[in-house]
Amino acid sequence: EVQLLESGGGLVQPGGSLRLSCAASGFSFSTYAMNWVRQAPGKGLEWVSAMNCCDGSTYYADSVQGRFTISRDNSKNTLYLQMNYLTAEDTAVYYCATGNSGWYWGQGTLVTVSS
Amino acid sequence: DIQLTQSPSFLSASVGDRVTITCRASQDIRSSVAWYQQKPGKAPNLLIYAAFALQRGVPSRFSGSGSGTEFTLTISSLQPEDFATYYCQQLNSYPYTFGQGTKLGIK
Repeated sequence: EVQLLESGGGLVQPGGSLRLSCAASGFSFSTYAMNWVRQAPGKGLEWVSAMNCCDGSTYYADSVQGRFTISRDNSKNTLYLQMNYLTAEDTAVYYCATGNSGWYWGQGTLVTVSS
Repeated sequence: DIQLTQSPSFLSASVGDRVTITCRASQDIRSSVAWYQQKPGKAPNLLIYAAFALQRGVPSRFSGSGSGTEFTLTISSLQPEDFATYYCQQLNSYPYTFGQGTKLGIK
């Protein structure tokens, strides 16, 4: 069974940084692209970033390009999202997700950017 | 970027009704569409992938169809547990995008 467990969320001041983690199990982590998706309170789903399984290719939404960095450690079956220069607009539940033609999702971790 | 437009944004229906949600893409995305159900406070749950393939464990009252730029999710006979928000997603090209969501409420 695919399991994804996000952690690292919390309250951070505007301009601050946070690193999210996603621990994966139940599938061959090293062979799957991984994604981060966020959902602001009361809003829809927004894809944030992706990282290829094998060649290190990364992709970002325009809204986070240059501020967020996705990475993975295949030896630890873990995905990361380093978030810098956070603003109130980054407040959201952050999910990690994976799959081929449709995704499995973790339970999410809440990031709140506020002074 | 590929835009996905769902309609309607809100839908009121009764138990036993047949409902259809439409997702239109701004360009041809072949059959690279997934549909998710989300309940309050929970993560999205995959219902349909590759436009029409039913995810294992999902009831057969859910079905998907379409290709190119127009896609539909149909629930053949609404059950009480189906009242939720539904999203389409395109996986044809980055940036992967979602529709704005359709909230299905009880009439």
